[in-house]
Amino acid sequence: EVQLLESGGDLVQPGGSLRLSCAASGFTFSSYAMSWVRQAPGKGLEWVSAISGSGGSTYYADSVKGRFTISRDNSKNTLYLQMNSLRGEDTAVYYCAKDQRVGASSHDYWGQGTLVTVSS
Amino acid sequence: EIVLTQSPGTLSLSPGERATLSCRASQSISSHLAWYQQKPGQAPRLLIFGATSRATDIPDRFSGSGSGTDFTLTIRRLEPEDFAVFYCQQYGSSPFTFGGGTKVEIK
Repeated sequence: EVQLLESGGDLVQPGGSLRLSCAASGFTFSSYAMSWVRQAPGKGLEWVSAISGSGGSTYYADSVKGRFTISRDNSKNTLYLQMNSLRGEDTAVYYCAKDQRVGASSHDYWGQGTLVTVSS
Repeated sequence: EIVLTQSPGTLSLSPGERATLSCRASQSISSHLAWYQQKPGQAPRLLIFGATSRATDIPDRFSGSGSGTDFTLTIRRLEPEDFAVFYCQQYGSSPFTFGGGTKVEIK
C-alpha cells in the first residue's frame, strides 16, 4: 500500500524558513517523480514543485522559484521542500504527491498534507 | 505559463443527472491533462490522466475527453458521493498548473 506522510508544517514568521519532509512507502521510490502541491485556506490547488525520480531534474512554480528548493533522498525514501524567505501568501496546506512515472506527470497518490502558517 | 480555465465555476445538479465539466488550456497540451476530485477536508484523488484514461478504482461513470486545448470531464449519472470540487491539471509544460476548479453541488 502506497503511503505518503508529510511533516514539518508549523507557524513561522514572515522572512523565516521551514523544511517539509514526506516519508514514502509501498513503492519503489526512486522510480517515480514526486511533487509538492499546496492549497491556501478556502482556495484551489496550486502546483508548487516537482523532482524527477533520480533527482536530476527539478521544476518550480514562478511564485516560489528562488525561494523554495525541492530535493529527495532515495536511500531514505524521503522527499523534502526547503522553504526560505516565507511570505504570508505561502500559508497553505502542503501536499506531497507521487507522480505516475519517473518524469513529472499526474499525481496518483497524495499525502494528507501539512499546514504551514506564515504570520507574525 | 499555461493557464487552465475551468467552467462553470459551480454546477447545481441532482443525483442521477449528467455532469459536464470543461477545462480549456491557453495553449496546446496534447493529452497531458489530469482531472482530480476533492472533498472537504480530504486530499485530492486522481480520476483521469492522459485526458481519457481512468485511474485505478475509478468507476466507469467518470470519463474524460479532448486533446489540444479543450477538455471535458463527464460524470454519466451522479451518485451522492460524487458531489465535490473537481480540478484539471496540465503536465505538458512546466509549471504544471491547475485550473481554478468546478464545484458540483446538490441542487
